[in-house]
Amino acid sequence: EAGVTQFPSHSVIEKGQTVTLRCDPISGHDNLYWYRRVMGKEIKFLLHFVKESKQDESGMPNNRFLAERTGGTYSTLKVQPAELEDSGVYFCASSPRAAGETGELFFGEGSRLTVL
Amino acid sequence: SQQGEEDPQALSIQEGENATMNCSYKTSINNLQWYRQNSGRGLVHLILIRSNEREKHSGRLRVTLDTSKKSSSLLITASRAADTASYFCATDGLEYGNKLVFGAGTILRVKS
Repeated sequence: EAGVTQFPSHSVIEKGQTVTLRCDPISGHDNLYWYRRVMGKEIKFLLHFVKESKQDESGMPNNRFLAERTGGTYSTLKVQPAELEDSGVYFCASSPRAAGETGELFFGEGSRLTVL
Repeated sequence: SQQGEEDPQALSIQEGENATMNCSYKTSINNLQWYRQNSGRGLVHLILIRSNEREKHSGRLRVTLDTSKKSSSLLITASRAADTASYFCATDGLEYGNKLVFGAGTILRVKS
């Protein structure tokens, strides 16, 4: 069974440009999460999808970030325009159950974003 | 705000020794999980302990939970070079809804 896959693995862009990160969860997992880790700090929650609906987007930093999950399958996270502080590793995770239901999360390897 | 905080930030031990990492959290929880991240890879789930459990074992891993102190510890016995990784605790609870809240992790280095 394929795991969670993320693309690209690494992206280097200039401030003001746009980047779109993609996550393909494990097939059949309704719950999809985005997290971000900046400079060795804590892994911060960004948002949570249940199928195609945003269950919780309380962690999204600002309106430069847009996440979608069309058809409840793969998800994209777009940053437009990118700022220097957006640099970090963006992790996607999926689960058949929500974390509040003792759901173990299955993580992708992350997309490292560097904004110059 | 950060819910879980791991301690120490970094730990270096010799192969064969035991490694103990601690996690403290702030609010009431339903469950606490530990994850491992090898350099450049994704996080991998290690073990889950429920709020009504005090201790749990899985292979060379032993996790304890003290809800009165809002803390947990992860013990890795007879460590191996392959255990070198970052270790994170994550909690879920009513205040945080259906998401896991992670700390900053402990970097463990096992020298062979």
